Amino acid sequence: SQQGEEDPQALSIQEGENATMNCSYKTSINNLQWYRQNSGRGLVHLILIRSNEREKHSGRLRVTLDTSKKSSSLLITASRAADTASYFCATEPFLQGAQKLVFGQGTRLTINP
Amino acid sequence: DTEVTQTPKHLVMGMTNKKSLKCEQHMGHRAMYWYKQKAKKPPELMFVYSYEKLSINESVPSRFSPECPNSSLLNLHLHALQPEDSALYLCASSLGTGENTEAFFGQGTRLTVV
Repeated sequence: SQQGEEDPQALSIQEGENATMNCSYKTSINNLQWYRQNSGRGLVHLILIRSNEREKHSGRLRVTLDTSKKSSSLLITASRAADTASYFCATEPFLQGAQKLVFGQGTRLTINP
Repeated sequence: DTEVTQTPKHLVMGMTNKKSLKCEQHMGHRAMYWYKQKAKKPPELMFVYSYEKLSINESVPSRFSPECPNSSLLNLHLHALQPEDSALYLCASSLGTGENTEAFFGQGTRLTVV
C-alpha cells in the first residue's frame, strides 16, 4: 500500500520561481527520500533525509522532515525548465531497511519559460 | 558504472505469450527490486531480492515470476498476462547492506499486453 500522500498533485510555475511540494506519511520511518521522474521513464534519486534529521540541502534543493507531523517538504529554488518532471517522496518503513521503499502519489511540476 | 540497464525498452505481447524482462547492474549492489507503474501513478513494489534470495513478494500474481541468476542480474518472466498488466516495469538496485541507502532505477520496460 502507498503510505505517502503528496500535494499538490500538479504545480505550474514560471521559470525562476520557487517550487514547494509536500508529502505526508502514516507509519514510522528510517528515512524519507525524494525522486524525480521525467516523462514516465526511470526515477532519479535526489536527496535522502534520515528520521533524526530535520533539514537537508543539496544544491537548489531543500528538504525538511517533521516526524511528529509525519510530513516532509521539498523546495526547489530558482526553478528551471529542466526541472519539469514528476516528483515522488518515498519512505523507508522503520525496521524494514533498504528492502522496501513506499512511494507517494507524486507531484507533476511544470516550469513555464 | 552507476547504471541499471533494462531490456527491452518496449515490449508488446499477446495474452498467450511468454516473455522475459531483464535487468543488469554492476555496482555491487546486493538488493534488487521490481516495481510496476501505471500511468500517472506511483511505482508499486512487486518483488525484492536480497543477496540473490527472494525476500519480499507483494502478493503478485503467479503469472509474474522473478528470477535472480546472480548478483548482477534480475529477470521477470511473464506468462499469460492480462491487458491490465500493461504498465511501465522498473528495476532498481541498492546497496542492500543496511538502512538509509538510495535506490538506483533503470529506464524501465514499457509493456503492452494485447
